[in-house]
Order: sequence, then C-alpha cells, then structure tokens
Amino acid sequence: EPEVTQTPSHQVTQMGQEVILRCVPISNHLYFYWYRQILGQKVEFLVSFYNNEISEKSEIFDDQFSVERPDGSNFTLKIRSTKLEDSAMYFCASRGYGGELFFGEGSRLTVL
Amino acid sequence: TQLLEQSPQFLSIQEGENLTVYCNSSSVFSSLQWYRQEPGEGPVLLVTVVTGGEVKKLKRLTFQFGDARKDSSLHITAAQPGDTGLYLCAGRRGGNLIFGKGTKLSVKP
Repeated sequence: EPEVTQTPSHQVTQMGQEVILRCVPISNHLYFYWYRQILGQKVEFLVSFYNNEISEKSEIFDDQFSVERPDGSNFTLKIRSTKLEDSAMYFCASRGYGGELFFGEGSRLTVL
Repeated sequence: TQLLEQSPQFLSIQEGENLTVYCNSSSVFSSLQWYRQEPGEGPVLLVTVVTGGEVKKLKRLTFQFGDARKDSSLHITAAQPGDTGLYLCAGRRGGNLIFGKGTKLSVKP
C-alpha cells in the first residue's frame, strides 16, 4: 500500500541552525501539507502546497520556514534558524482524491 | 477562528465497556474526519462524514455527523485494548484540515 515517508525520524539540532525535513508523498497525489504537533498539544496546520507553489499557510509559517519540491518526488520543509519553540513532531501529508489526508510517521525535531 | 472542541480530553475505561467521544464547533464544516493517532506515529484516517445526520459504521465504531454539520460523535462498542490511542476530529476549511486537540483513550484489559 502506498505511503508517505519522512526522513529523518529524529533530528537534534542547536538553536540557530538550519534544518531540512524531507518527505516523499504518495506518487499520484497533487496536494501536500506540513503539520506540526508540539508534545501534548494539537496537530497544527503549517502550509499546503499545490502545483509547485504554496496554496495556503498559517501564521506559524513565518519567514523562517520554507517549502520546496526540488524534484518529482521529494517535498521538503526548511527551518532557517531554529528556535527552542520549534521543537515538535513535524508531519507531512498528501491528499487523496477523496479529500482524505495520508500522514507520514513524522520527524521529531529537538532544538537545544 | 474555527475551533474544534473535543471532549472528554482523557478517557480511561475497562475492556468491554462502551464509550462516546464528542467533537463540537460553533462553525459549519463541509465535512468532518476522524483520525486515530498512536504515540510516535502520524494520524491515520478512520472515516469522513459529509452529510448532516450521516451515520457511518466501522466494525465496533459508529460515527455520526450532526444535522447542522457543526458537531460529530464517535461511539465505540465493547472497547478493546487495541482501541487505545488519541482520537482526533478534523474539519475541512477550504483545502486544509483543522484539528481538534483530541481525546486520549486508554482501554485497560
């Protein structure tokens, strides 16, 4: 069964460092998303991406964040200068034709 | 801001019991989805409800969408330890999903 895959599963970084989280969405899906979940809190929308551009973003997705689809398969989330409060699980999702989201297993980011 | 309120926040029951969890909003949603999330994993879709008043069954799970499409409930019959997890409701806003905080269910054998 097709699935969304994310790497790395866990990354530890120093405050101020750049981080790139990678996702391979399901191959025939067209809409891609990044969500984050701070420990014990709810799943929060960050950004949606369609046709090689951002279609919507939340107020969390400030200038420190960017997304890219550098080739036909990978979908990346970059955080330019990480802050302590960026520590969270980051989930990538792609959207099926029925509107359902398929989530990856997440990348845990720990900022020290 | 469209908020989805889920209740209860935590629920701990014995195997074999029935339970209902709720998802409420002051806003109308075109559809609501229920996901289950286990620790360290991403949410997994259980069901989508679209029509007001709709009832969907998935084995021992029964999902209902309110007539006004502002609320939904999930009823589990004869809960099993394998039902343990975080149950999230999510409402569609445009092309995006907005999640509630979830109900953390623990089913003890």
